[in-house]
Amino acid sequence: DAGVIQSPRHEVTEMGQEVTLRCKPISGHDYLFWYRQTMMRGLELLIYFNNNVPIDDSGMPEDRFSAKMPNASFSTLKIQPSEPRDSAVYFCASSFWATTYNEQFFGPGTRLTVL
Amino acid sequence: AQKITQTQPGMFVQEKEAVTLDCTYDTSDPSYGLFWYKQPSSGEMIFLIYQGSYDQQNATEGRYSLNFQKARKSANLVISASQLGDSAMYFCAMREGYNTDKLIFGTGTRLQVFP
Repeated sequence: DAGVIQSPRHEVTEMGQEVTLRCKPISGHDYLFWYRQTMMRGLELLIYFNNNVPIDDSGMPEDRFSAKMPNASFSTLKIQPSEPRDSAVYFCASSFWATTYNEQFFGPGTRLTVL
Repeated sequence: AQKITQTQPGMFVQEKEAVTLDCTYDTSDPSYGLFWYKQPSSGEMIFLIYQGSYDQQNATEGRYSLNFQKARKSANLVISASQLGDSAMYFCAMREGYNTDKLIFGTGTRLQVFP
């Protein structure tokens, strides 16, 4: 079975540009999570969805960040305009409520560099 | 206050020896779950083991076991018979309560296994 798929794997952009990160969760999973990992702040949850509905977006840093989940198999995280401090690895994860532990399965991450 | 504390930034262990990675947590909710994830240098996050707050026995998964001491609020990961491939970052995480699927991660411990 395919795991969580993220694209692009690497993104280099200039300050002020719009960046869109994409995620395809594991088929059948009903939860989707977006995380950001930096050396300074570690791994922090940005937002998560249940059945395509945003449940908790308290970790979204500011209005420049937005996330959507138009259907069960696709989600985007958009940064507009991007800033150098947004440079990080962004992970998408998915889970299914009926698994034994409801553990989250992570994608390979997108390494974003904003110049 | 830190919800999840991992006090060991780095640990070394010789191949075939056992190693314990520390994790303490802080919550007032009687219902919670504790997770350990491994992050190799390739970057992906791999789920290792789970312990529920009401579980009577310590969790085990192959060479991984969890030393769960509820009164001390600690959930240390024990890796037995270390292998070179165990070299990675290890993260402890907590999910609090029934009403959220949010995971809070610790800062991680880098484990180096040497021959």
